[in-house]
Amino acid sequence: AQSVTQPDIHITVSEGASLELRCNYSYGATPYLFWYVQSPGQGLQLLLKYFSGDTLVQGIKGFEAEFKRSQSSFNLRKPSVHWSDAAEYFCAVAPVRGGSNYKLTFGKGTLLTVNP
Amino acid sequence: EAGVTQSPTHLIKTRGQQATLRCSPISGHTSVYWYQQALGLGLQFLLWYDEGEERNRGNFPPRFSGRQFPNYSSELNVNALELEDSALYLCASSSWDGTAEQYFGPGTRLTVT
Repeated sequence: AQSVTQPDIHITVSEGASLELRCNYSYGATPYLFWYVQSPGQGLQLLLKYFSGDTLVQGIKGFEAEFKRSQSSFNLRKPSVHWSDAAEYFCAVAPVRGGSNYKLTFGKGTLLTVNP
Repeated sequence: EAGVTQSPTHLIKTRGQQATLRCSPISGHTSVYWYQQALGLGLQFLLWYDEGEERNRGNFPPRFSGRQFPNYSSELNVNALELEDSALYLCASSSWDGTAEQYFGPGTRLTVT
């Protein structure tokens, strides 16, 4: 069964510092990969996605992620964090077209705190 | 373009009662997914509806059920509520274009007392 691991439960960074959130997945084949962000009490907003092609994908709000097949990883990065980036971040996977369904399997999330 | 909407925002029920949660997908989307986000358990897949049919369900008991209407909106019903059903219930919609990209609503916070 597919699984997603986000090894960091909570990360604290200073405003203006760089950020990297880790995500590893376990799946039979390369799945679709996503990063979502959730502000307190809110739904999930899609930051970026990887389906195929270029392994470095750009998303909204200045985020990017790099897919590394050899490491089964899809780490999220931002060069300079803003206070408004404080939220919980979820990595998710879904089977590629032809799979039984497109349900998302989520990691446990990483809570990001930004210090002024 | 209107996003996914869910109602109600908050719902307070007593153990043993039934809860009904509603979701309206983005216009043109035919698939609706339901997820439960319970404290300490993370986001778990509940149900998937497409073209009015239940396509898949997660590891939840039968008292979690739902349906999808001809206009693609969906309803999640939880019968015989238990305290551990307290959670944020998120609905997402997607189009059947093979990309698996899902758009989420703001959620319904269900509290069972």
